[in-house]
Amino acid sequence: KNEVEQSPQNLTAQEGEFITINCSYSVGISALHWLQQHPGGGIVSLFMLSSGKKKHGRLIATINIQEKHSSLHITASHPRDSAVYICADNTGNQFYFGTGTSLTVIP
Amino acid sequence: KAGVTQTPRYLIKTRGQQVTLSCSPISGHRSVSWYQQTPGQGLQFLFEYFSETQRNKGNFPGRFSGRQFSNSRSEMNVSTLELGDSALYLCASSTGPTGGDTQYFGPGTRLTVL
Repeated sequence: KNEVEQSPQNLTAQEGEFITINCSYSVGISALHWLQQHPGGGIVSLFMLSSGKKKHGRLIATINIQEKHSSLHITASHPRDSAVYICADNTGNQFYFGTGTSLTVIP
Repeated sequence: KAGVTQTPRYLIKTRGQQVTLSCSPISGHRSVSWYQQTPGQGLQFLFEYFSETQRNKGNFPGRFSGRQFSNSRSEMNVSTLELGDSALYLCASSTGPTGGDTQYFGPGTRLTVL
């Protein structure tokens, strides 16, 4: 069974700070997904990556296949970034989810 | 393009009843996956359908079942409801099989079992 661990579980930051959320998985993957969930439940897929690095606006996702580790970075954080961030590992056509990181950005 | 829609959005049932939830994917998407989210267990994969065939099933009892129609719309059914089935049920669609494609999530159906 694939174990997906995220850290930290909770994170509070001041507006403008650089934020890093980490995700480790135990089994080789097909793809690693980063999801964002706002209060109320809606989930948005931020990134899907199987190697290297992807950037979208102020968000950057990296993955190290050898170390089985991925990071999500948010530059110049803003209160609207406040949400739960979830990494999901796709292995054997199944998704295994981390427990999520709850981010609060204070103005 | 319209997003993924789920109906109903909220549902209250009692133990022992059964429930059917519906998911309409984005037009052109052939894959639909279902997930359960609870405060205790977080997000868990239920099953995936692609072109009317179940490709994968998560670790859930047989009370949880689903199907996909020729227009890619999908339904999931839970029979003999238990209190622990209270959860947010999310579906997601993608163009290709799950995992290799970006997932687009619906707003979810919040099921409460009394």
